[in-house]
Amino acid sequence: EVLLQQSGPELVKPGASVKIPCKASGYTFIDYNMDWVKQSPGRSLEWIGDVNPNNADTFYNQKFKDKATLTFDTSSSTAYMELRSLTSEDTAVYYCARRGKWLLFMDYWGQGTSVTVSS
Amino acid sequence: DVQITQSPSYLAASPGETITINCRASKSISKFLAWYQEKPGKTNKLLIYSGSTLQSGIPSRFSGSGSGTDFTLTISSLEPEDFAMYFCQHHNEYPLTFGAGTKLELK
Repeated sequence: EVLLQQSGPELVKPGASVKIPCKASGYTFIDYNMDWVKQSPGRSLEWIGDVNPNNADTFYNQKFKDKATLTFDTSSSTAYMELRSLTSEDTAVYYCARRGKWLLFMDYWGQGTSVTVSS
Repeated sequence: DVQITQSPSYLAASPGETITINCRASKSISKFLAWYQEKPGKTNKLLIYSGSTLQSGIPSRFSGSGSGTDFTLTISSLEPEDFAMYFCQHHNEYPLTFGAGTKLELK
């Protein structure tokens, strides 16, 4: 069974950074890209970017290029997203999602990590 | 970026009914649209990709159609477990973008 396990809610101060893990299980980690998606309160989903754990390639939505960094650790089958210089605009639920094979859709999703930016 | 307009934003229906949800892209995305289901306490579920390809394990009452700029998700003979949020996503090119979602509620 494919599972993407994300961490619990985060409360962070403005200007700080947060690193969100996404632990994958039930499949060969390096065989699939991992996408990250933002869902702000009352707003639609926004694609942040993706990482290829096989060759370390990353692709970012221009909107998030200066905000997010996507990394991974193959030894623990975990993908990470670090968000920096946080503001209230970054308050949202962040999802990791496994990329479908060959095409740009997401076939399995994590449960989401809530990030609240507040002093 | 491709803008996706999803409609309606809200839909009330009864079990046994057939409903349709639409997504319109701001430019042609060929057949590359996916549909997802979102339910509280569950992870998002991929229903359909490439416009009409049913994901493995998804009941056949779900179907997708369309190409170019206009796409439709049809749920036939609604079951109680189908009342949820639905959203679409184009997967034609980067950046990937999503529709705003349709909340399907029990009438």
